[in-house]
Amino acid sequence: GEDVEQSLFLSVREGDSSVINCTYTDSSSTYLYWYKQEPGAGLQLLTYIFSNMDMKQDQRLTVLLNKKDKHLSLRIADTQTGDSAIYFCAERTHGSGNTGKLIFGQGTTLQVKP
Amino acid sequence: DVKVTQSSRYLVKRTGEKVFLECVQDMDHENMFWYRQDPGLGLRLIYFSYDVKMKEKGDIPEGYSVSREKKERFSLILESASTNQTSMYLCASSLRRVSSYEQYFGPGTRLTVT
Repeated sequence: GEDVEQSLFLSVREGDSSVINCTYTDSSSTYLYWYKQEPGAGLQLLTYIFSNMDMKQDQRLTVLLNKKDKHLSLRIADTQTGDSAIYFCAERTHGSGNTGKLIFGQGTTLQVKP
Repeated sequence: DVKVTQSSRYLVKRTGEKVFLECVQDMDHENMFWYRQDPGLGLRLIYFSYDVKMKEKGDIPEGYSVSREKKERFSLILESASTNQTSMYLCASSLRRVSSYEQYFGPGTRLTVT
């Protein structure tokens, strides 16, 4: 079935790069997303990538997609304390039709140490 | 900007009570979703709706029902609240007319059932 997996925790030092990884099982994924959740808040869409792309860059964020390995990563350059949050990977599969249903991973808690 | 609002940020209810969680979006989105979020489990889909009066079960519908009488409003109902329904509840919406289907989230309702 459809499944999205992430490691639960990542700790980095301020100024370093962070790489958050995600694997998914459904090869019919059409779009893949990264969401950020700050403490006590809902999820905020950071970026998304269409499945025919390998990479997408947006300021400090770089998304890499390896379709062969079904692996998605989010790189945050020059990580700041304000980047401390939970990061969720999500996929939309072809089977979801026009319902807009997404499958979410468990979330990775990013801790940024000063 | 898309705005998704939820009726309460924090709610405390007693076991056996009927609980209503309301969600309203102001961007004419066709799709609306209810999730619950628990540590280490990520987001799990309870119910979703792709049109007025239409609803479909998600992954964990047991103990919940929903209502969508108007396009902008999607209600989650706990018929008889139980302690294992203590959780963070997140509402989201998305537009069907764009292929990317990104979901926009409300701030969440933290429900405690005692």
